[in-house]
Amino acid sequence: DVKVTQSSRYLVKRTGEKVFLECVQDMDHENMFWYRQDPGLGLRLIYFSYDVKMKEKGDIPEGYSVSREKKERFSLILESASTNQTSMYLCASNLDRNYGYTFGSGTRLTVV
Amino acid sequence: EDKVVQSPLSLVVHEGDTVTLNCSYEVTNFRSLLWYKQEKKAPTFLFMLTSSGIEKKSGRLSSILDKKELFSILNITATQTGDSAVYLCAEIANTGNQFYFGTGTSLTVIP
Repeated sequence: DVKVTQSSRYLVKRTGEKVFLECVQDMDHENMFWYRQDPGLGLRLIYFSYDVKMKEKGDIPEGYSVSREKKERFSLILESASTNQTSMYLCASNLDRNYGYTFGSGTRLTVV
Repeated sequence: EDKVVQSPLSLVVHEGDTVTLNCSYEVTNFRSLLWYKQEKKAPTFLFMLTSSGIEKKSGRLSSILDKKELFSILNITATQTGDSAVYLCAEIANTGNQFYFGTGTSLTVIP
């Protein structure tokens, strides 16, 4: 069974901390994505990547960065966590635009 | 930016009812539209629609796309409590690899 794994289901971090959210897929997918999901706002795209070492900004990249050193791993980095980054973070991947996403189980991040 | 609007935002029905969820989109160079079901965790894939007028069906769920009027509907017949979830609609254009999501419809089915 294909899988996208996010390293943590729940995280609590302090304001100003540097936070790493990890996502690993075992499907040899080219494309990987990071979304945040907030009530009333739906899923909003933060960053995505089409290839190793390649990244593109999504709709809300401010305060975030990403890293893709290996094809299977896509990391989201909060450089200095703030309370407005409290959210559910979803990682997804797909082979190409002919296929829907496979999602990870999500990381619920609380910044205090 | 592409836009996806879902309605209603939330819905409460009794077991056995039939529901219709709506998704309208504005997109340049439309490619396909997807429906997902999200319970307490990750969204799970339901349907991908690319062609107008062709119904996709899976058990009690079905969906259809109207590319002329730019909308899709998701029907659930004989609803069960296990259908309670947020249903997400997303579209993708030919020019990109990312999907744009609506805010979702929260469905609650009460016994």
